Amino acid sequence: DAKTTQPPSMDCAEGRAANLPCNHSTISGNEYVYWYRQIHSQGPQYIIHGLKNNETNEMASLIITEDRKSSTLILPHATLRDTAVYYCIVRGYNAGNMLTFGGGTRLMVKP
Amino acid sequence: NAGVTQTPKFQVLKTGQSMTLQCAQDMNHNSMYWYRQDPGMGLRLIYYSASEGTTDKGEVPNGYNVSRLNKREFSLRLESAAPSQTSVYFCASSELQGALNYGYTFGSGTRLTVV
Repeated sequence: DAKTTQPPSMDCAEGRAANLPCNHSTISGNEYVYWYRQIHSQGPQYIIHGLKNNETNEMASLIITEDRKSSTLILPHATLRDTAVYYCIVRGYNAGNMLTFGGGTRLMVKP
Repeated sequence: NAGVTQTPKFQVLKTGQSMTLQCAQDMNHNSMYWYRQDPGMGLRLIYYSASEGTTDKGEVPNGYNVSRLNKREFSLRLESAAPSQTSVYFCASSELQGALNYGYTFGSGTRLTVV
């Protein structure tokens, strides 16, 4: 699976959009970009995933660049409850490909 | 709507003791996983079961054994616990076939301390 690079930490004001970047320059054609988050002491929570098109769900939006070498997770109106570690993971779409967690980005949402 | 259930939630063991961590999912997922997370670190895969009847080693399998008891249950056993196995253990399940792939669902974790 392709390696990802994320900033170790970010701050965001409550109510503003949080934009979390991820670089995955070695991504291959059949690999998806997944985002998970882990709120303190809890199990990781799936947020969103995509292949090459932008995706949106009730939690977030995922913007993938045209060359697929980077992506941005957008939380449109961050709340204090969005404070968490956010993991960007790239993996193939079959049972043989495991989730490999890197260091992630620690997002702190401030009042 | 339980998802992935892990038991126990907390456990303290003495060095050399054995124990089994239990995991059950009610989503009819084919694949199940065991991860460990050390303080301030990301998750590392211990073992996984791609489907009922199969198990494979992950990144850090030494000191552990697993059993995929049936489609619902996947247990992790520590035969002789060591202080280095002090960690939070997460079980997860996933269904990778088809378009409706919502990724992995994780349990709430088992916090294990080996003294």
